[in-house]
Amino acid sequence: RKEVEQDPGPFNVPEGATVAFNCTYSNSASQSFFWYRQDCRKEPKLLMSVYSSGNEDGRFTAQLNRASQYISLLIRDSKLSDSATYLCVVGAQGAQKLVFGQGTRLTINP
Amino acid sequence: DAGVIQSPRHEVTEMGQEVTLRCKPISGHDYLFWYRQTMMRGLELLIYFNNNVPIDDSGMPEDRFSAKMPNASFSTLKIQPSEPRDSAVYFCASSFGLITDTQYFGPGTRLTVL
Repeated sequence: RKEVEQDPGPFNVPEGATVAFNCTYSNSASQSFFWYRQDCRKEPKLLMSVYSSGNEDGRFTAQLNRASQYISLLIRDSKLSDSATYLCVVGAQGAQKLVFGQGTRLTINP
Repeated sequence: DAGVIQSPRHEVTEMGQEVTLRCKPISGHDYLFWYRQTMMRGLELLIYFNNNVPIDDSGMPEDRFSAKMPNASFSTLKIQPSEPRDSAVYFCASSFGLITDTQYFGPGTRLTVL
């Protein structure tokens, strides 16, 4: 089983729609969680950290469910510029590294 | 700060040749990471350094790969000899902390081995 698993997609949604995707992790000792965004032929960049209480940044909401070991990302009122690959990232002190998921590819259509 | 700087941005070489990729991390960051990204395998951690010391090189695919960090502002990833299956995008990243801080990635080196 992979340490971090994501649905690779692609997700194709119309502009203005709400889209959500999940990521599951296998290490119950994981303690840090992030979503990174990667545009085509570019480097990954931090989108947002994921906190235990959940957090929101504009149209983006991230949630953590420790019991079921998954994190989620919700994008409301999607824009064409949201088209990208979204990488789920998990860190555990014991593992001493961040583990990146394979990414979920999202395309917003006009 | 200029961010993480990598060179070259593109490299095309022939099988058997030596390839050297270079990275300058963000000043003040204690951690430096080398990743490889392919369509098939996604983003893979190859090696990381803490204060210029290699900590975990378990991701280095084989002895043909080596990495050094002679000082806090420079690191190299060398492939010798290169093979077509090494073709990928190689990213360097740096951060203040190991698992709780943002990793800042460089623009990557797109390597093609013919």
